[in-house]
Amino acid sequence: QVTLKESGPALVKPTQTLTLTCTFSGFSLTTIGMRVSWIRQPPGKALEWLARIDWDDDKFYSTSLKTRLTISKDTSKNQVVLTMTNMDPVDTATYYCARSSGSSGPLFLYWGQGTLVTVSS
Amino acid sequence: QSALTQPASVSGSPGQSITISCTGTSSDVGGYKYVSWFQQHPGKAPKLMIHDVDNRPSGVSNRFSGSKSGNTASLTISGLQAEDEADYYCSSYTSSSTYVFGTGTKVTVL
Repeated sequence: QVTLKESGPALVKPTQTLTLTCTFSGFSLTTIGMRVSWIRQPPGKALEWLARIDWDDDKFYSTSLKTRLTISKDTSKNQVVLTMTNMDPVDTATYYCARSSGSSGPLFLYWGQGTLVTVSS
Repeated sequence: QSALTQPASVSGSPGQSITISCTGTSSDVGGYKYVSWFQQHPGKAPKLMIHDVDNRPSGVSNRFSGSKSGNTASLTISGLQAEDEADYYCSSYTSSSTYVFGTGTKVTVL
């Protein structure tokens, strides 16, 4: 059974760095074709893809946010970590991690429950 | 990367069919057979309904179907049911090896 769960601070101040952890089970990120992405959704707004890390440690970032994002993995802990620098109130959103595999497309079959991050002083 | 364009809302009566469009460019929707559709109920994580343009994951009703023509992908829901009332998002692979989501469509069952 594949599960993913996001964790991190519920509240961050403007200009701070956000660190989110996705802890997963039921698969290994060393298996060929496995990928984990981070996706966010501001309250009442659309989904936005942020970043992806692949089984071979390839990393991909949203072109509009790439200067602020870093994604990494710890295969021994079954975790993927996303850091986002210089947080702003517009970054207030529910942040999801999701797994895709096989296809190069957005085949996000498994999602975490999401974690709401509020940016406010 | 600009968001893919979807209609803000679509509605239909129970039993009817509706179609949601998703318009991108030749650098995303038009360039690859990598379009997915997601259903999202309030307060819930999105659910994958269609992947690779027209493939249904196991367990998804065959009332949901996908297609693509040029730079526009479409999701059709046939035999509309009350439980289909939700937000729907398309997503595509892009020429930058990234992904882009659509603007989202609220489906209302009248």
